Amino acid sequence: AAGVIQSPRHLIKEKRETATLKCYPIPRHDTVYWYQQGPGQDPQFLISFYEKMQSDKGSIPDRFSAQQFSDYHSELNMSSLELGDSALYFCASSFLQGPSSSPLHFGNGTRLTVT
Amino acid sequence: DQQVKQNSPSLSVQEGRISILNCDYTNSMFDYFLWYKKYPAEGPTFLISISSIKDKNEDGRFTVFLNKSAKHLSLHIVPSQPGDSAVYFCAASDGGSQGNLIFGKGTKLSVKP
Repeated sequence: AAGVIQSPRHLIKEKRETATLKCYPIPRHDTVYWYQQGPGQDPQFLISFYEKMQSDKGSIPDRFSAQQFSDYHSELNMSSLELGDSALYFCASSFLQGPSSSPLHFGNGTRLTVT
Repeated sequence: DQQVKQNSPSLSVQEGRISILNCDYTNSMFDYFLWYKKYPAEGPTFLISISSIKDKNEDGRFTVFLNKSAKHLSLHIVPSQPGDSAVYFCAASDGGSQGNLIFGKGTKLSVKP
């Protein structure tokens, strides 16, 4: 079965640069979530979109922005990168703003390293 | 302040025996709980969930128990297999959060042959 696809798998950027992470949800899933997992930490919710509109916002820094496009894929744009942004970034998707309607399914993540 | 707590960072179990992973939460508004399994270099994989209106949900070798009064849930794996070795995350959500999950820090399970 098709899963959540994230690209790239690995990304190395320098401080103050920008980065764009992409997420392709499972077909027919209408909700996308972004999570950040630092080393040895639990995944922290950043932001979510339902039917291309922002539905919830977590601990996303103002330097980051995201959107969901008409084909339901989502992009997380990160500017003025800092060393502390180095983390695993997971995208997840669900149907009808899960999890009680459908559980969140996660991609394999993008590992961002800021040097 | 950690709203979902997994107090055991690691657990080692013999193959064939029962694995019990524990999770405590503090937010009484949480009404849906999930367990995810994570292998290195992969994203979390959904395992099993339970609604707050139930106290038990079973799926094959996996059973989740919920004790609302104690704000505690546990995942039982019987019998444990070496392929179950992974990090297990407990996660919770409330009806108003529109799906975003609050995760615990995970428990690393090692099942020895």
